[in-house]
Amino acid sequence: QKEVEQDPGPLSVPEGAIVSLNCTYSNSAFQYFMWYRQYSRKGPELLMYTYSSGNKEDGRFTAQVDKSSKYISLFIRDSQPSDSATYLCAMIDYNTDKLIFGTGTRLQVFP
Amino acid sequence: EPEVTQTPSHQVTQMGQEVILRCVPISNHLYFYWYRQILGQKVEFLVSFYNNEISEKSEIFDDRFSVERPDGSNFTLKIRSTKLEDSAMYFCASSINSNQPQHFGDGTRLSIL
Repeated sequence: QKEVEQDPGPLSVPEGAIVSLNCTYSNSAFQYFMWYRQYSRKGPELLMYTYSSGNKEDGRFTAQVDKSSKYISLFIRDSQPSDSATYLCAMIDYNTDKLIFGTGTRLQVFP
Repeated sequence: EPEVTQTPSHQVTQMGQEVILRCVPISNHLYFYWYRQILGQKVEFLVSFYNNEISEKSEIFDDRFSVERPDGSNFTLKIRSTKLEDSAMYFCASSINSNQPQHFGDGTRLSIL
């Protein structure tokens, strides 16, 4: 079983839609969770960081963590064409400082 | 907003040659990392560096790879005896502390011919 599973998509939605992106993980030692956005030929750009179960909101983005189910989500409200990118979940276990990434979900928001 | 900068953006090297990829991390950050992303695949950890020594490395980071912080601002990745399979995007990242968010540069695209 992979440490981090993420549906690669692509996911295509109309402008204004609510987008839900998800990852599951198997390692109980993962305690820190991040979402990154990656545009083509660019580096990962940090969107959200959280370390506790529950929701964290930042503008149109909400990160949700459920440690009991080993499941994390990113919700994007009022999606825009500029949100079209690949979204990467990433996790750190408390024993190390390396990020373990999901494969990324490619999102396309059409006008 | 402070950012991680990487040079060059694209490096083309003959197989067997040595290559050095350069990074300038965010100035008050103490932890430094290199990651690799082969085209179409996920981002993979290579090495972490703190207090002038490697704190962790992956199985990808074999004895052809080395890292160095030659001065107070640069962080380099050297690959000796390059192989075709080293072709990938290499990302540098830094964080203020361990377990804190890591901030990435835009990468160096390494092409081995």
